[in-house]
Amino acid sequence: AQSVTQLGSHVSVSEGALVLLRCNYSSSVPPYLFWYVQYPNQGLQLLLKYTTGATLVKGINGFEAEFKKSETSFHLTKPSAHMSDAAEYFCAVRVGDKIIFGKGTRLHILP
Amino acid sequence: EAGVVQSPRYKIIEKKQPVAFWCNPISGHNTLYWYRQNLGQGPELLIRYENEEAVDDSQLPKDRFSAERLKGVDSTLKIQPAELGDSAVYLCASSRRGGANTEAFFGQGTRLTVV
Repeated sequence: AQSVTQLGSHVSVSEGALVLLRCNYSSSVPPYLFWYVQYPNQGLQLLLKYTTGATLVKGINGFEAEFKKSETSFHLTKPSAHMSDAAEYFCAVRVGDKIIFGKGTRLHILP
Repeated sequence: EAGVVQSPRYKIIEKKQPVAFWCNPISGHNTLYWYRQNLGQGPELLIRYENEEAVDDSQLPKDRFSAERLKGVDSTLKIQPAELGDSAVYLCASSRRGGANTEAFFGQGTRLTVV
């Protein structure tokens, strides 16, 4: 069965510091992987996705993620955090037409 | 293009009352999802439609929840009767069917509070 595990329900970083949000997946077939962001009282917005090809994927707002098959990971990073990055982030795996989400990581940005 | 539209945005009802949510997906998207998001959790799939057919409703509590997608476009999700534990955000999403690039696009959700 497919599943997604996000390590850390809350992550705090200082403004300007590196952001690292962790995601591990399990899938019996090659997965398609996504990161979504959710701002308060909003729906989910796609940040980036991995389908095939290059394992380092760049997304919106300066975020990127690297697919590591050997580690079954798809961690999200951003070199320099901005106050506007404070939100909830969800990692998701798609197998066929089924999309499964992790429990989310709330990112706090410290001034 | 217009995004996924949901209504209402907020709903407060007393327990045992019925409630319905409406979703208009992105034009041309065959696949429609209803997710429930509890506070502090990720979205959990309730039901998935391919056109007008419900192809995955294994997580839908069928004793009180029902959904329909007439004509394969708009969809409604109904709860009758609502319970306190149904308080959550109900998200609708749509995507094109199949293929690696078919991410889901989400509406803003309906926040349901059952009192």
